[in-house]
Amino acid sequence: DAKTTQPPSMDCAEGRAANLPCNHSTISGNEYVYWYRQIHSQGPQYIIHGLKNNETNEMASLIITEDRKSSTLILPHATLRDTAVYYCIVRPQGYNKLIFGAGTRLAVHP
Amino acid sequence: DAGVIQSPRHEVTEMGQEVTLRCKPISGHDYLFWYRQTMMRGLELLIYFNNNVPIDDSGMPEDRFSAKMPNASFSTLKIQPSEPRDSAVYFCASSLSGSSNEQFFGPGTRLTVL
Repeated sequence: DAKTTQPPSMDCAEGRAANLPCNHSTISGNEYVYWYRQIHSQGPQYIIHGLKNNETNEMASLIITEDRKSSTLILPHATLRDTAVYYCIVRPQGYNKLIFGAGTRLAVHP
Repeated sequence: DAGVIQSPRHEVTEMGQEVTLRCKPISGHDYLFWYRQTMMRGLELLIYFNNNVPIDDSGMPEDRFSAKMPNASFSTLKIQPSEPRDSAVYFCASSLSGSSNEQFFGPGTRLTVL
């Protein structure tokens, strides 16, 4: 599995955009980038995934660089409820296992 | 849909006792996963099933751990005998095979072995 590197922690002001980076320089051509988050005391929650095009859904946007070696998860208007650990995971198409790293602990403050 | 259901939510037991954790996946999902989360090791995949058949149990720590899926709507993770180092939060997740393979996680079972 390609490894990912994320900053251990980040802060964001409520109402501002939260931009969470992820490096995956060894990613292979058939590997997707997935983002999950885990709010305290809850199970992880799927956010978004992509292969090479930018993706957007009701929760977030995913920007993947052209060389696919890094990506950024964007929460456009962070709220206090977005405080969580965010995990960036790369996974081959059709591969069912999720390998979680340490993630980024995002703190949204008033 | 009620989502993935796990029981019990909390379990406190003494070392040497048998512990059984239960999971009901989302109806129609054909994959089921068991994870364990600790402060030291983070979130680890223990085992996963496809159509009730174990596919990969390489994450199961040792023979004291066993998992079964007798039907599409029920799975158990058993620890016998339990040890204090088994204290953790155990999550069950399910997914539907397809292009996204998004996994839906249950609320977890917090196990404390004294």
